[in-house]
Amino acid sequence: EAQVTQNPRYLITVTGKKLTVTCSQNMNHEYMSWYRQDPGLGLRQIYYSMNVEVTDKGDVPEGYKVSRKEKRNFPLILESPSPNQTSLYFCASSGQGSSYEQYFGPGTRLTVT
Amino acid sequence: GQQVMQIPQYQHVQEGEDFTTYCNSSTTLSNIQWYKQRPGGHPVFLIQLVKSGEVKKQKRLTFQFGEAKKNSSLHITATQTTDVGTYFCAGRNSGNTPLVFGKGTRLSVIA
Repeated sequence: EAQVTQNPRYLITVTGKKLTVTCSQNMNHEYMSWYRQDPGLGLRQIYYSMNVEVTDKGDVPEGYKVSRKEKRNFPLILESPSPNQTSLYFCASSGQGSSYEQYFGPGTRLTVT
Repeated sequence: GQQVMQIPQYQHVQEGEDFTTYCNSSTTLSNIQWYKQRPGGHPVFLIQLVKSGEVKKQKRLTFQFGEAKKNSSLHITATQTTDVGTYFCAGRNSGNTPLVFGKGTRLSVIA
């Protein structure tokens, strides 16, 4: 089954404790992206990757890191989480080019206290 | 940078009433996509429009892309409770530029 998986689905952590949210897709997609969703603000892009070893900042990259060492994986790293990073995070993937839809993962709900 | 505005932010309708959400871009788009997110779920792709003036239908849903390729709309005829959710438009300037999402319209349907 074609899918995007994220882990963990829920996470409560404390300020400053480094964490990683994993994202994996099994569709051989070149393009992967991370979004955060906050009430009233819609989906805001954090980082995206056009292909392996190619990453770029989205609209709200501060406080986040990503890597793309393999085509299928695109982890999101919070080196020193803060309460304003409490949010719902979605990973998405798509084929390359303008004609491809994005497939979203199930989401990770992160709470930073 | 590119901005995509979507209105209204919320819409409450009685079951059977029609619903429309509008999307406007500050720049000309190469294409526009629409997604639906059910409560507690993740966004799911509905459709993509590419051509100027394009109209596509999916059962009770009608999607339009403006002649100038800067605006789009989603119209639902005779809403049902299964239509509940948030509808997002998302546009991109050119082939490999990132999608920019509107803030979404949350639809509530009262039975």
